[in-house]
Parts: sequence; structure tokens; C-alpha cells
Amino acid sequence: GEDVEQSLFLSVREGDSSVINCTYTDSSSTYLYWYKQEPGAGLQLLTYIFSNMDMKQDQRLTVLLNKKDKHLSLRIADTQTGDSAIYFCAESRAGGGNKLTFGTGTQLKVEL
Amino acid sequence: DTGVSQDPRHKITKRGQNVTFRCDPISEHNRLYWYRQTLGQGPEFLTYFQNEAQLEKSRLLSDRFSAERPKGSFSTLEIQRTEQGDSAMYLCASSQDRGHQPQHFGDGTRLSIL
Repeated sequence: GEDVEQSLFLSVREGDSSVINCTYTDSSSTYLYWYKQEPGAGLQLLTYIFSNMDMKQDQRLTVLLNKKDKHLSLRIADTQTGDSAIYFCAESRAGGGNKLTFGTGTQLKVEL
Repeated sequence: DTGVSQDPRHKITKRGQNVTFRCDPISEHNRLYWYRQTLGQGPEFLTYFQNEAQLEKSRLLSDRFSAERPKGSFSTLEIQRTEQGDSAMYLCASSQDRGHQPQHFGDGTRLSIL
């Protein structure tokens, strides 16, 4: 079955690194995504990784994928107050029309 | 490129009324998706289109829900005889279908049922 899980809440100090974790159960997942949602807004695509990769870096963002453990993480370096938002992990499968299955989201709070 | 556009942003209606939402995808995106997001949850897939063809609708929540994309451009999502449990954010996303292309989301329509 399809199941994506995330911890609900993370609090960090400005300037520190944030690590948001996600686990998924579907071994046929082909792509894994991170989206950001600010209050009252839609989802902003941050980055995504193909399941054959184990790491992807994009400026302050680093995605790590452990396919064996079905564990995905998003590291945000030098976290800023503007990074405060809800972060969603999502997965898609081959042949599924690329429809996304989302986790429940992790609320990131950045404190001064 | 103006992004995915959804209209209205907010809709308040009485229980039992019909509502219709519109989504305009990014131009040249031939895939269009509808999701529903309830408070404190991630988005939940409802249906998707490739051009004007609706390729999956099994996840539409009941027969009160229907979606169309008649000319392969904008799409509408209709909910008939609304119920309080229909209160949610309805999100639209679009993507190209060549190779792997990620989905880009609109800002959603927030539906409140009185």
C-alpha cells in the first residue's frame, strides 16, 4: 500500500541546519519530492530525486535517499525565518500517471 | 509563464448547494491534476487529465464530484449537493508529460460549507 510518514513539527534557530525526515512504504516509488507550503498558499516545488540516486544538492538544500530503508531527508543549510512553513514529502510510481502521494507534512518553525 | 491559476480563491456556500472551481494550467502543460487537502493533512489525489482525457477518476470522493477538461486547456471541478465534510482546500497542479516532469501547483480554492 501507499503510506508516507513525516514527523509533525521541527523547531530550529536561525542560522542552524534543519533536517526534515520522511519514510515511505512503496518500494515501486520512482521519484520522491519535497514541497513547501506557506499559510493560505499552494505548494511550491523545492526539489525532487530519482529513486536510483542517493543524494541531490541544490544551493541550500540537500536531499538524501536511503532506498533500502525507504527513508528520505531534506537538509536546509543556514535556515532563515523565511523558511518557516510546512514541508511535504511526496512520492510517485511508474505507470501511475505520476500522481503524488503526500505525507502529512512537517511544520518548520525558525526562531531568532 | 503565469503559473497555475485557480478561481475562486475562496468559496463560502450553504450545505446542499452546488459549487464549481476552475483551474488554468501552465500553458503547454498537457497533464492536469486535482487534489484535496483537509486541515492538518497532506494533499490527497482526486483525478487527472492528459489533454482532454480523464485517465483516472477512481479517487473522486463520491458521485457528487465530477471534473471536466473539455478542450484540453482549463479544467473545472464540480461538487453537487455539498456537505460539511466537503470543506477543504482544492488544489490543481499541472505538468508536461514528456519524460519526467514535476507537478506545479496553484494556490488552491478554499471551500467552506456553512
